[in-house]
Amino acid sequence: GQNIDQPTEMTATEGAIVQINCTYQTSGFNGLFWYQQHAGEAPTFLSYNVLDGLEEKGRFSSFLSRSKGYSYLLLKELQMKDSASYLCAVREENYQLIWGAGTKLIIKP
Amino acid sequence: IAGITQAPTSQILAAGRRMTLRCTQDMRHNAMYWYRQDLGLGLRLIHYSNTAGTTGKGEVPDGYSVSRANTDDFPLTLASAVPSQTSVYFCASSDSLGGNDEQFFGPGTRLTVL
Repeated sequence: GQNIDQPTEMTATEGAIVQINCTYQTSGFNGLFWYQQHAGEAPTFLSYNVLDGLEEKGRFSSFLSRSKGYSYLLLKELQMKDSASYLCAVREENYQLIWGAGTKLIIKP
Repeated sequence: IAGITQAPTSQILAAGRRMTLRCTQDMRHNAMYWYRQDLGLGLRLIHYSNTAGTTGKGEVPDGYSVSRANTDDFPLTLASAVPSQTSVYFCASSDSLGGNDEQFFGPGTRLTVL
């Protein structure tokens, strides 16, 4: 069946680095997305991976291993504004996105 | 307008009433989606449309209907609301269904069914 697992909540310190993991079991694979969602707001796109490896975009990087059904989002030089939920989503064979429940990231000064 | 808008922002509805949530985008995107987001669960796809005139069912379509008369608008209708439809509803759009096309989300509609 379809399943995407992420930790429910993580805490990190301002200026530090945090890694948010995502594991998935889906009907086929056509790419993995990471979105950021601040409380009470809409999700916004962060990254897309379809091939194995690391994609870097400023302070954020995303990694994918298709053989392991695994991805992570790496956030560097954490800022207070990075406090948000981070959503992992996999595009299946039918092109629909299956979403994880999200990881709430709390940044402490 | 720029992007994707939804109306109303929030609504309290009596069970059994009919309700239409509106969604409009001005990005000329072909694909549009309706999701619901409930606490502790991931976003769940209700219905989608990959181009004007066509619609498809997502993961949780029961109790909902959609139409896509033109490129810009994608309304979601609850024919007879039930309390389990209490949720935050997000409309989204993308250039196409596939590839690396990111989905752009509207601000959401918070719906409470009593």
